[in-house]
Amino acid sequence: GAGVSQTPSNKVTEKGKYVELRCDPISGHTALYWYRQSLGQGPEFLIYFQGTGAADDSGLPNDRFFAVRPEGSVSTLKIQRTERGDSAVYLCASSLAGTPGEQYFGPGTRLTVT
Amino acid sequence: KQEVTQIPAALSVPEGENLVLNCSFTDSAIYNLQWFRQDPGKGLTSLLLIQSSQREQTSGRLNASLDKSSGRSTLYIAASQPGDSATYLCAVPNASGGSYIPTFGRGTSLIVHP
Repeated sequence: GAGVSQTPSNKVTEKGKYVELRCDPISGHTALYWYRQSLGQGPEFLIYFQGTGAADDSGLPNDRFFAVRPEGSVSTLKIQRTERGDSAVYLCASSLAGTPGEQYFGPGTRLTVT
Repeated sequence: KQEVTQIPAALSVPEGENLVLNCSFTDSAIYNLQWFRQDPGKGLTSLLLIQSSQREQTSGRLNASLDKSSGRSTLYIAASQPGDSATYLCAVPNASGGSYIPTFGRGTSLIVHP
């Protein structure tokens, strides 16, 4: 079946703009995670959803970052007033049940803030 | 706070060698440990998931072992091939407010040359 998909694959935006990144998890997976990965680093946790609700958002760096999953499937990560330091690859993963199940990752969205 | 270290950071070997990649973690009270592969510009692909009650898991030429008490896991790759070239990451769930969010190492970058 289809894996985790993310759109867009690349996004270039100007400093101060608003961006939305989309994640479509594997069908039937109730848990969804967002991570951020900088060059040469491992993924850094941002937020975890169980169903529609954010079960753990302790990794969001500040209030410019927000994520939703209104119907318990697709999720959108929203970044307001982007800064150059937000440039990174944003990864989404899903798992069949809650943590700490086996995670399946999407290809990521490369965000570049100029 | 869980800290995950991977050694070596980079490895370059000729085809056919047997390889050992190391992952160490500071908090031994783990639930499981997952090994991933990441190709350049791509998302993460799950290789092996070891539950805390297990000592090892095998998949094809890959074997992962877990020694919880010493805070270590090893990924063994037999008869390496150029197609094994990638970055290998380990992740350990860290208990956080009732959820178990993975902490990732920085990875081992592997190059297998013909």
